[in-house]
Amino acid sequence: DTGVSQDPRHKITKRGQNVTFRCDPISEHNRLYWYRQTLGQGPEFLTYFQNEAQLEKSRLLSDRFSAERPKGSFSTLEIQRTEQGDSAMYLCASSLTTGEQPQHFGDGTRLSIL
Amino acid sequence: QKEVEQNSGPLSVPEGAIASLNCTYSDRGSQSFFWYRQYSGKSPELIMFIYSNGDKEDGRFTAQLNKASQYVSLLIRDSQPSDSATYLCAPGGGGTSYGKLTFGQGTILTVHP
Repeated sequence: DTGVSQDPRHKITKRGQNVTFRCDPISEHNRLYWYRQTLGQGPEFLTYFQNEAQLEKSRLLSDRFSAERPKGSFSTLEIQRTEQGDSAMYLCASSLTTGEQPQHFGDGTRLSIL
Repeated sequence: QKEVEQNSGPLSVPEGAIASLNCTYSDRGSQSFFWYRQYSGKSPELIMFIYSNGDKEDGRFTAQLNKASQYVSLLIRDSQPSDSATYLCAPGGGGTSYGKLTFGQGTILTVHP
């Protein structure tokens, strides 16, 4: 049973560039979540999917952020026109659908904006 | 008032002692409560979850929940240096926020030999 997989592990880019991250959830998990974590803080919820449907988005998810899960399997998170404040760890998690199931996190993608 | 508050750290305990981590939350609709451990530079790792009032034990870990007081705690017995990490409390959203976790800022625990 493989865990949640995220790619890339690290991304360094210049301000203004677009970046895309990928998340592959645990295979039988229908729910997929994105969080962002900055140093010294707990993860902050960004958005989540049940199968291919995006069910909730945080106000943190500005127009520059978009997430997709087109076939209900892997998901992508894109940030357009990156800003210094986007530097953070982007975490993906997945869970089963029944009730309030525990979420299992991937290793994260660390984004650094130059 | 923050949605989830954890006791300010860092918390330092000697090896073999009991570490007590506390968390209060504001959303009365929360139905499930999760404790994650996060080592420096790593992602959160689930260690306990609890849904009902009372205690839940798993090895050296005990989670305690009191929904009336909006309080959840984690006790670590026989603390080991390998328990040194940040512990994150996360109530699961009920009501209209089903599926979303709201994390506290975390409590840094240091277990010294």
